[in-house]
Amino acid sequence: AQTVTQSQPEMSVQEAETVTLSCTYDTSESDYYLFWYKQPPSRQMILVIRQEAYKQQNATENRFSVNFQKAAKSFSLKISDSQLGDAAMYFCAYKDNYGQNFVFGPGTRLSVLP
Amino acid sequence: GAGVSQTPSNKVTEKGKYVELRCDPISGHTALYWYRQSLGQGPEFLIYFQGTGAADDSGLPNDRFFAVRPEGSVSTLKIQRTERGDSAVYLCASSPGGGQPQHFGDGTRLSIL
Repeated sequence: AQTVTQSQPEMSVQEAETVTLSCTYDTSESDYYLFWYKQPPSRQMILVIRQEAYKQQNATENRFSVNFQKAAKSFSLKISDSQLGDAAMYFCAYKDNYGQNFVFGPGTRLSVLP
Repeated sequence: GAGVSQTPSNKVTEKGKYVELRCDPISGHTALYWYRQSLGQGPEFLIYFQGTGAADDSGLPNDRFFAVRPEGSVSTLKIQRTERGDSAVYLCASSPGGGQPQHFGDGTRLSIL
């Protein structure tokens, strides 16, 4: 079974600085998708960024970018120019190309310091 | 544009009671998921529907939990003989399928006294 690990339960970053959140996963599949979701205290899970495993180019979305290392099964999220509104729980998620189940990591709580 | 809607947003009930949690997905999304999220943890998969059928119910913890999606749209998660350990936020998500991301509702916070 696939597993997703986020080794940093909590992280903090100074406003306007850059922070990187780690994610590793375990799978025997070669074709899959990876996601980062943000969950603020309001509770709703919001998609931050999506990566297709067959694409070597790292996905970017404004201030958010990923470092996808397929061989190492690593999928880290970089947040540039951190803003107070970025404070939230961040979840890494995996989905293979054949099933429909999403597997989530345990999350990283990000604090942004003014 | 309507997102995923979950009702009620909060539910408080006594141990042993029956509860129903409703999810109204984004129109046209064929895939619907239920998750349970305890405080400080990631979403835990419960069940996934493709259309009207439960394609994967391997996450349901026991036979007190049941979910339906009779017309391939709205889904109801049903919990019988509730226990205090069932207290959590229950999240619903829908997706067009394939590699497309899920869209989540705001969740229902269930508290069993």
